[in-house]
Amino acid sequence: GQQVMQIPQYQHVQEGEDFTTYCNSSTTLSNIQWYKQRPGGHPVFLIQLVKSGEVKKQKRLTFQFGEAKKNSSLHITATQTTDVGTYFCAGRFTSGTYKYIFGTGTRLKVLA
Amino acid sequence: NAGVMQNPRHLVRRRGQEARLRCSPMKGHSHVYWYRQLPEEGLKFMVYLQKENIIDESGMPKERFSAEFPKEGPSILRIQQVVRGDSAAYFCASSKSGTDTYEQYFGPGTRLTVT
Repeated sequence: GQQVMQIPQYQHVQEGEDFTTYCNSSTTLSNIQWYKQRPGGHPVFLIQLVKSGEVKKQKRLTFQFGEAKKNSSLHITATQTTDVGTYFCAGRFTSGTYKYIFGTGTRLKVLA
Repeated sequence: NAGVMQNPRHLVRRRGQEARLRCSPMKGHSHVYWYRQLPEEGLKFMVYLQKENIIDESGMPKERFSAEFPKEGPSILRIQQVVRGDSAAYFCASSKSGTDTYEQYFGPGTRLTVT
């Protein structure tokens, strides 16, 4: 079936260190979205990537979409305590469905 | 502009009872998704609806679960004869369109506890 795998599952970093989470799909994606969920909260949209090889930046966050549109990454430079939360990727497959398949998420903990 | 609203925020039901979860999408949004999230897990797609139509219910259990999005009023996720395994957070999200260019806006979720 269509799956979106995300690694690592957990990541603890010291404040100021960098952080990267990776998202991999078994088949080609139409587009991919990234969300952040704070503990006890709801997912909040961060970005959407559509084009092969696309790179987008939001301040300290850099998002990439692979050339084959099967993988994506989110990189945070110089983490801060406000970055704490779980980061999810969500992929839509090219087969024509409307649904998004969410990755398992990467839980980030930032130690001050 | 109010965001996506869900109620109740917390719902406790005994085994065998019915649970009704409501979702009012953002103003101007006519597409609603429902997801289930178990503690410390990802979001699992359940159903995608447009006004008066179920477009994709491939993630919803065939028994006991149903969803609707009437012409007037909120979208409703209904769980009949709840069991302990139904305990989870249920999130709805809305978007302007069903095409792949619009982000989903999530509501605060309904935390269902089955005792």
